[in-house]
Amino acid sequence: QVQLQESGPGLVKASETLSLTCTVSGGSMNSYYWSWIRQPPGKGLEWIGYIHSSGTTYYNPSLKSRVTMSLDTSSNQFALKLTSVTAADTAVYYCARFSGSYRTMDVWGQGATVNVSS
Amino acid sequence: QSALTQPASVSGSPGQSITISCTVTSSDFGGYNYISWYQQRPGKAPKLMIYDVTLRPSGVSDRFSGSKSGDTASLTISGLQAEDEAYYYCSSFISSHTGVFGGGTKLTVL
Repeated sequence: QVQLQESGPGLVKASETLSLTCTVSGGSMNSYYWSWIRQPPGKGLEWIGYIHSSGTTYYNPSLKSRVTMSLDTSSNQFALKLTSVTAADTAVYYCARFSGSYRTMDVWGQGATVNVSS
Repeated sequence: QSALTQPASVSGSPGQSITISCTVTSSDFGGYNYISWYQQRPGKAPKLMIYDVTLRPSGVSDRFSGSKSGDTASLTISGLQAEDEAYYYCSSFISSHTGVFGGGTKLTVL
């Protein structure tokens, strides 16, 4: 059974870069898409984007200028970088496996809380 | 404002059925397909309940069902139970590769 686990700093200073890693266990990353979603405190879900095991990426247009996703299938990890963060980027960040056939996130990590401090 | 509109809240008594709607409000949608529904309990990660409008992942109760008519998708929960109390989010895709979530609906079991 595939499991995902986010990791990274819980506190990032404003204007700096947020970096998170998602480790995939119990299955292969090949032939799947891998996504990031975030949820600000008390608010709804926001789709950030996803990356295919081939390296092809798709980002939310509203975040595209600040987002970079990458993956390392040999380590079973994929990563998110978000530059020039502000308080508005404070959120719980989730990684999830994305099914390209059904456009759905079928396996989710438990989430990582990231606070942006001024 | 999300391109997918959900009611802020719905409620029902144990044993009843409730329906949560998800209506596309953006003209950017290239075809309102690939509807998914997620359940999120407080402090927990979302859980996939319905995908491809009507399909249920293995392990999800058959009390949960999905449908779609025109620009509105719906999640129906029958035989409401206390454990169903949670937030529910719909999601879809604009122009093939841009995902979007509805604003979420809080389900209260009375």
